[in-house]
Amino acid sequence: NAGVTQTPKFRVLKTGQSMTLLCAQDMNHEYMYWYRQDPGMGLRLIHYSVGEGTTAKGEVPDGYNVSRLKKQNFLLGLESAAPSQTSVYFCASNDGYQPQHFGDGTRLSIL
Amino acid sequence: EDQVTQSPEALRLQEGESSSLNCSYTVSGLRGLFWYRQDPGKGPEFLFTLYSAGEEKEKERLKATLTKKESFLHITAPKPEDSATYLCAVQAPPRSGAGSYQLTFGKGTKLSVIP
Repeated sequence: NAGVTQTPKFRVLKTGQSMTLLCAQDMNHEYMYWYRQDPGMGLRLIHYSVGEGTTAKGEVPDGYNVSRLKKQNFLLGLESAAPSQTSVYFCASNDGYQPQHFGDGTRLSIL
Repeated sequence: EDQVTQSPEALRLQEGESSSLNCSYTVSGLRGLFWYRQDPGKGPEFLFTLYSAGEEKEKERLKATLTKKESFLHITAPKPEDSATYLCAVQAPPRSGAGSYQLTFGKGTKLSVIP
C-alpha cells in the first residue's frame, strides 16, 4: 500500500521554464491538497480539490495551476517558474475530517 | 483568520529528560487539532487528533492534551529516535459552499534528543 506518491522527488528548473508535479493516492480519498514548505514559514496551502473535476484556491495560489481529472491524481503546474517558487512541495489526501496523509515531497529549485 | 503558534522553535534534550511542546491556537469553531511528526527529507506523519478541551491521547512516550486555547505534546523519557520536527495544525469548519477541511499549520518545533 503506497499511500501518497509524489513524482519527481527532485527537480532543478531555470527561470521561465514550466513543469508539472504529480501526486497519486491509492486510498480512494475524495480530498487532495498541495502545500509548499519554506524555512520559517511552515506548511502553506496552495490549492486543493474536494473531488474529481473540482479544484479551489488555498492561501498562496498565485503562479500555480492544478487539475484533478482522475480521483487518484492531483497535478500541480508551474507555467513560468520563478526563483520565489523554490520550495519543498507536499501533496496530501484525506476524507473530510480525517487526518491528512502526506507524500514525501518534491524538492524544487528554480535558478 | 486562523492562527497557530508553536513554541519553542527548537528544543534540545538529554536522553531521558522529559519536556513539553506548546501549540497555541486561534480558530473560529475548532473541528480538530492535529499533531504530526516530520523527519528530515520526509513528509509529515500523523500522530494524534484532539477534538475537545480536556481530551488526551497517548502513544508510546508521547501524550497530547488540549485546552480551549492550546495543546501540549508531552514527551516522557525521550530517546534519540524521537528527534524530529513536531507540527501542530488546526482544522476549522468548511467556509465555502463546496466544503473543505483545510488545516492551518504552525511552524513546528525541532526536537533534538542527545544520547
